[in-house]
Amino acid sequence: NAGVTQTPKFQVLKTGQSMTLQCAQDMNHNSMYWYRQDPGMGLRLIYYSASEGTTDKGEVPNGYNVSRLNKREFSLRLESAAPSQTSVYFCASSASGGAGEKLFFGSGTQLSVL
Amino acid sequence: GQSLEQPSEVTAVEGAIVQINCTYQTSGFYGLSWYQQHDGGAPTFLSYNGLDGLEETGRFSSFLSRSDSYGYLLLQELQMKDSASYFCAVSHPRSSYKLIFGSGTRLLVRP
Repeated sequence: NAGVTQTPKFQVLKTGQSMTLQCAQDMNHNSMYWYRQDPGMGLRLIYYSASEGTTDKGEVPNGYNVSRLNKREFSLRLESAAPSQTSVYFCASSASGGAGEKLFFGSGTQLSVL
Repeated sequence: GQSLEQPSEVTAVEGAIVQINCTYQTSGFYGLSWYQQHDGGAPTFLSYNGLDGLEETGRFSSFLSRSDSYGYLLLQELQMKDSASYFCAVSHPRSSYKLIFGSGTRLLVRP
């Protein structure tokens, strides 16, 4: 039972490089999310997809793009990485976006931008 | 806007009871969620309070008072494995998809 799978687990980029973080869930969830977590802070929502075919901005969307490829997959792209994007990135999914809905998180991607 | 306040760190002894408080300011409110995160791990859902009162799940309980804009997570019979960070979270008033997290409380359980 994989749940939410993210790749890669670690990545080092140089300023200006681009990369895509991949996320897939096997729970047939409708909603998917990308969060970032900086040291000593809570999670901040970057983008979310309420359902297949839709995406919306979260709290901190600048510098990122997303694609909801299908119901299972939701990718996050950094077009031109900046040191401020050094963070741990978590993908999550939920059955729907209702209040109190349980979020299931992937194991995270530790990204360093030099 | 929305803001949540939690103590940054709490220390307790194995077998004891500890309470982690969360106060919030929000223009709308759907309810209060709690997540646990071990160092290097992913957050995992613990509980949700949509209504005032106490919700109990095994050794963990969560409480909400809407009138006081306040909630807490109560951990009983503390075990070493409970050492982790605990986050309260509320849904954005205009979208329940947008979960706003507090900055977390680091709980250290000592023998």
